[in-house]
Amino acid sequence: DVKVTQSSRYLVKRTGEKVFLECVQDMDHENMFWYRQDPGLGLRLIYFSYDVKMKEKGDIPEGYSVSREKKERFSLILESASTNQTSMYLCASSFRVDEQFFGPGTRLTVL
Amino acid sequence: AQSVTQLGSHVSVSEGALVLLRCNYSSSVPPYLFWYVQYPNQGLQLLLKYTSAATLVKGINGFEAEFKKSETSFHLTKPSAHMSDAAEYFCAVSRGGGSQGNLIFGKGTKLSVKP
Repeated sequence: DVKVTQSSRYLVKRTGEKVFLECVQDMDHENMFWYRQDPGLGLRLIYFSYDVKMKEKGDIPEGYSVSREKKERFSLILESASTNQTSMYLCASSFRVDEQFFGPGTRLTVL
Repeated sequence: AQSVTQLGSHVSVSEGALVLLRCNYSSSVPPYLFWYVQYPNQGLQLLLKYTSAATLVKGINGFEAEFKKSETSFHLTKPSAHMSDAAEYFCAVSRGGGSQGNLIFGKGTKLSVKP
C-alpha cells in the first residue's frame, strides 16, 4: 500500500515563526501536492510538484513556499507564520493523472 | 475551466436508508472524477474513480457512482447507510490539459447517520 507520512499531526507556532511541514511518500510517485483544508471551503491547492526540483503554484500560494530536493519528499514552508494560516494541511502524491494518496494531515495553530 | 459543485454541505439519513450525495462538474475536456471520504482527524481516502471506462463505478464500502455526461453529474449512492458511513465526502475532477494529476475538489458534504 502507498504510504504518505507527514512529520507532525499537531503543531503550534507563534506569529512570525518560520514553519516547516514535511511530507514523505514511499511509492516513487512523480507528483506531490500540498493542500490546506478549512471548514466550508474544502481543499485548496497551495503548491504542487511533478518532479524533483520542480514546483508549480496552486490556487493559494501566497505566504507559502515549497522544496523538493528528493523525489520522495516534499516540504511546505511558511516563511513568517500568520494567524490566518491556522488550518489543516494535507499532503498527497500521485502517479501521473490518477488518484491521489493522502497523508493524515497536520493541524497547524498559529498564535 | 474545470469546477465541482457539491449540493448540500450537510446530509442526514437514518441507518438503513439510501445515501445520495450529489456532485456536478464542469470540464472542457473528458474528465476524470473521484469521490473521497474523510473520517474525523484523518486524511482523505479514495472511495471510487471514473476514468472513461464504465459509467457505473463501484467503490469500497458498498458505494457506487454513475457518470452522466448529459447531466454533468457524478452522484454518489449507497443503498443502505451504516453508522460507520458518517464522515465527510469530497467529489473531485481532474483539471486536465496536461496538469500533471491536479484535482479540483468540491467543498465537501458531511454525512450524518441517525440510529
